[in-house]
Amino acid sequence: DTGVSQDPRHKITKRGQNVTFRCDPISEHNRLYWYRQTLGQGPEFLTYFQNEAQLEKSRLLSDRFSAERPKGSFSTLEIQRTEQGDSAMYLCASSGSGTGLYEQYFGPGTRLTVT
Amino acid sequence: GIQVEQSPPDLILQEGANSTLRCNFSDSVNNLQWFHQNPWGQLINLFYIPSGTKQNGRLSATTVATERYSLLYISSSQTTDSGVYFCAVKRANFGNEKLTFGTGTRLTIIP
Repeated sequence: DTGVSQDPRHKITKRGQNVTFRCDPISEHNRLYWYRQTLGQGPEFLTYFQNEAQLEKSRLLSDRFSAERPKGSFSTLEIQRTEQGDSAMYLCASSGSGTGLYEQYFGPGTRLTVT
Repeated sequence: GIQVEQSPPDLILQEGANSTLRCNFSDSVNNLQWFHQNPWGQLINLFYIPSGTKQNGRLSATTVATERYSLLYISSSQTTDSGVYFCAVKRANFGNEKLTFGTGTRLTIIP
């Protein structure tokens, strides 16, 4: 069990550029979540996958954001036409399903800075 | 949506002191987790405790689901305990899988 991994750890981009982040969940986990955290706040939910199906999306996920999990393993989060307000830490989490397996485990995050 | 309030927002203690952090939530939950966020931003799982009491070394937690609160106890604080502690809950309704986080308690342990 190597834990949840995210890549890259840091990303600096100019306003208007597109960025893509990757998340690799814990191998036996079928549920994957994306959250966003801004300075001084707790993480906020963005979206959730069970296997390859995207089952829940927050209103925070504007049409410039898209997430995929094509084979039910790793996931990508893309932000198009980045804005300065997109600067935040993007966190990925995973969990199993079934009794006692709902605990969410978080990756180290990708810190995005939009200049 | 569900509201999660944590208190106190900030806590400064001498090394060796004990502390109690509180989490109140506004609706029924079927998942409650406590996390410690280190200075690099990593969320470290402390407890998965939708109800009852658990202990892990110097840390323990109690959730009273019927009264909609949870407590995190830290005994004999060490400087490495410094950081932000988050409570996060999952509302108990079908199809809801997201965790809702509180705004955290920032703990500073002074040597």
